[in-house]
Amino acid sequence: GDSVTQMEGPVTLSEEAFLTINCTYTATGYPSLFWYVQYPGEGLQLLLKATKADDKGSNKGFEATYRKETTSFHLEKGSVQVSDSAVYFCVWTDSWGKLQFGAGTQVVVTP
Amino acid sequence: DAGITQSPRHKVTETGTPVTLRCHQTENHRYMYWYRQDPGHGLRLIHYSYGVKDTDKGEVSDGYSVSRSKTEDFLLTLESATSSQTSVYFCAISPGLARVGSYEQYFGPGTRLTVT
Repeated sequence: GDSVTQMEGPVTLSEEAFLTINCTYTATGYPSLFWYVQYPGEGLQLLLKATKADDKGSNKGFEATYRKETTSFHLEKGSVQVSDSAVYFCVWTDSWGKLQFGAGTQVVVTP
Repeated sequence: DAGITQSPRHKVTETGTPVTLRCHQTENHRYMYWYRQDPGHGLRLIHYSYGVKDTDKGEVSDGYSVSRSKTEDFLLTLESATSSQTSVYFCAISPGLARVGSYEQYFGPGTRLTVT
């Protein structure tokens, strides 16, 4: 069935390193795609989104491009900070307009 | 920050007891959602509401019921709690469905429920 798959964590990297979190989806039609972030002890918040093919979402130095040909929406950041330590969720909309979440990827950034 | 509060924030209860979690919003958004978060599963939708007294089931609705008598409040009830319902519960709100306008969902801080 329709789903989203994201790389397992935890991903541990040093401050100022390059971050990539892979996300691929299987869905009928053309869903909207999102990345949500959850900081420790908090609820989720929208990081960025893309609503159609080739759209690039960006926020706080993070970017992700909606690739229809590879059904992917990989999250990237060129230079991470300790404050980026969080759990990142790849999310897509199903045909009813409800959000479907990936399992989440924990990112740990060390000084 | 969107005005969403959840109560209680933490609760420990015994198997077989009823439990009600409350979500309160001050944004006057039409849609409200209840999710549970478990390791390895991301967030899964339990129930959602698209207006006062209008609710529908999500993918993991068994054992849960909801009510929405006012725009600002959305209650989640576990009629008879079981250990499998130990989880972190999140409420979310949005002005519309994501498919229609790619509306963002705003999440509350969560309620950690432990059923012993």
